[in-house]
Order: sequence, then C-alpha cells, then structure tokens
Amino acid sequence: GEDVEQSLFLSVREGDSSVINCTYTDSSSTYLYWYKQEPGAGLQLLTYIFSNMDMKQDQRLTVLLNKKDKHLSLRIADTQTGDSAIYFCAEILGKNTGFQKLVFGTGTRLLVSP
Amino acid sequence: DSGVTQTPKHLITATGQRVTLRCSPRSGDLSVYWYQQSLDQGLQFLIQYYNGEERAKGNILERFSAQQFPDLHSELNLSSLELGDSALYFCASSVGTVNEEKLFFGSGTQLSVL
Repeated sequence: GEDVEQSLFLSVREGDSSVINCTYTDSSSTYLYWYKQEPGAGLQLLTYIFSNMDMKQDQRLTVLLNKKDKHLSLRIADTQTGDSAIYFCAEILGKNTGFQKLVFGTGTRLLVSP
Repeated sequence: DSGVTQTPKHLITATGQRVTLRCSPRSGDLSVYWYQQSLDQGLQFLIQYYNGEERAKGNILERFSAQQFPDLHSELNLSSLELGDSALYFCASSVGTVNEEKLFFGSGTQLSVL
C-alpha cells in the first residue's frame, strides 16, 4: 500500500533530543525526505537522505535509515520551542511506472515545552 | 518565503459551487504539484503538471481538474463542492520532475465548504 506511517504525537522538553520515526513502503525508494510544517504555513524541506546511506547529519538534525526494516528516523538535538511543528517523512512512489509521485506520511506533531 | 504563491489564502463557499485555486511556481520551476491536506486523509497527492502537460495523477476526484498554462502558473478547479472537500490545498513546485527533486510549497488555500 501507500501508507507511510508515523506516530501522531511527540512531546519533549526544551533542550532534550527528539526522535521522530517513520516506516515507509517502497524498499527501492531512492531518496527519503523530512519536511516540516509550521502552523499556518506550507511544508518546508528539512533534509533528505539517499538510499545508499545509513546516516546523514546536518547541524542539529540526524537522519537514520534502516533499509532492511524500511525505517527512517529524524533526531533533533537540543530541541527548541521553535522546533514545535508537524514533521512529515516522504518517499517517491511509482519509480518503475514513469509517473512518480511524492507520498507523505501521516505527520508527527512535535510539541516542545519550555 | 518559498517563492511559490497561492491565491486566495482563504475561500468560503457553499455546497454545489465551483471554485478555482491559483498557483504561481518559483521562477524557473517547470513542475507544479497539487496536494490536499485534511484531518482525516492527511496529505494527499492530487496531480502534477510538467511544462504544461499532466505528468502524474493521484487521488484526484473527477469533480476536480487542473491545468498548467504557458506562463507555468497552474489552476485547480473544484466543482460540485461537498462538505468533505473542505481542506487545505497546497501547491508545490520543482525544477524538474519529482525524482530527486526538492519540492517547494506554497502556504496553501484554506477551503471551507458550508
């Protein structure tokens, strides 16, 4: 199916690390993405990882990829109140059809309390 | 600012009506994507256009149609509106097609069908 699954909600304290998990569907996905949606705004690309990588670090963000389990995670170090948002993982489906589409997960709402 | 412009920001209409949502992609981007975001369905891919031609189709109802014009702006037409069509409609753009591309999202049009 096309259901990219994420837990719905995560609550952390400022300064802690946040880990947002995602299970995707297509083991042949070339790129996997993390997008952030702040209230009243569109989605913003945070980071992405190529499928031949296990890990990618970008400042406070660390992406881990487990291809065997089709599991993707996003770790945010030293989480700040400004990180409160909805986080979506996404994968490209339809790679072999010539009509590819970017499919998003259900989204995880991160709430950071002071 | 992503560079993707959507108008209007808010739209309130009645059941049975028809509305048009407009999207101007980032300068230089040839692809336009339309997504629908609702509480129960999450973020659903509707349709993609590339340089004026339909490129990929998702869960788009027959009551909905879209087009991309020679100046690359796009319009999403929603007709015979139902209460369940109330949602946030996003447009995104990218330079090429979705493979390996980063999508840039507009801030959305909030449609309320009463």
